Amino acid sequence: GAGVSQSPSNKVTEKGKDVELRCDPISGHTALYWYRQSLGQGLEFLIYFQGNSAPDKSGLPSDRFSAERTGGSVSTLTIQRTQQEDSAVYLCASRTTGGVGSGANVLTFGAGSRLTVL
Amino acid sequence: AQSVTQPDIHITVSEGASLELRCNYSYGATPYLFWYVQSPGQGLQLLLKYFSGDTLVQGIKGFEAEFKRSQSSFNLRKPSVHWSDAAEYFCAVVGISNTGKLIFGQGTTLQVKP
Repeated sequence: GAGVSQSPSNKVTEKGKDVELRCDPISGHTALYWYRQSLGQGLEFLIYFQGNSAPDKSGLPSDRFSAERTGGSVSTLTIQRTQQEDSAVYLCASRTTGGVGSGANVLTFGAGSRLTVL
Repeated sequence: AQSVTQPDIHITVSEGASLELRCNYSYGATPYLFWYVQSPGQGLQLLLKYFSGDTLVQGIKGFEAEFKRSQSSFNLRKPSVHWSDAAEYFCAVVGISNTGKLIFGQGTTLQVKP
């Protein structure tokens, strides 16, 4: 697609429920990132996928959070047993391969999925 | 560890006035630096980036930023602010792992007075 697509745009759930957030990156972008944006915490890195390499999960805040990327394209972020502190906007971004110093090689972000845990 | 500091959480300027948003970074090598803008309910849009070369970089919407290694700064400027510039602005640096992972500052919210 023309841009990074995320769904749902808004999700309200009850504490303790599981949620899945979807990201469809720009076609041909092999690198995919998830970030969390919450009040008072700014933008936090969660996880990074690059091709067939093992993902960098160093930013996942707990074992309730997991993500997968199927077929090197669509990614799903899953939050199990949601807590109120999980309320945030979850942003997905993608970029092409190649060195970070490439003039065209920057992250393109989706509009985000706003999660509210009641 | 790499970090980005945006000292001003909130700035208010009058329409037509000049703007400077501050950004300081902590990074051991030559940084790759970015400014993104986020309008309410929207994702992040890239304004400009610095990788190397000319330390004054031009971006979209009339913005520019200057990289100053001696001050570890990458301040964003615009000579004349428009009401549509009201948004949140984020400075970011690529982390040392060079995976393209961005480390963001806390953001500066810009309010524009008519």
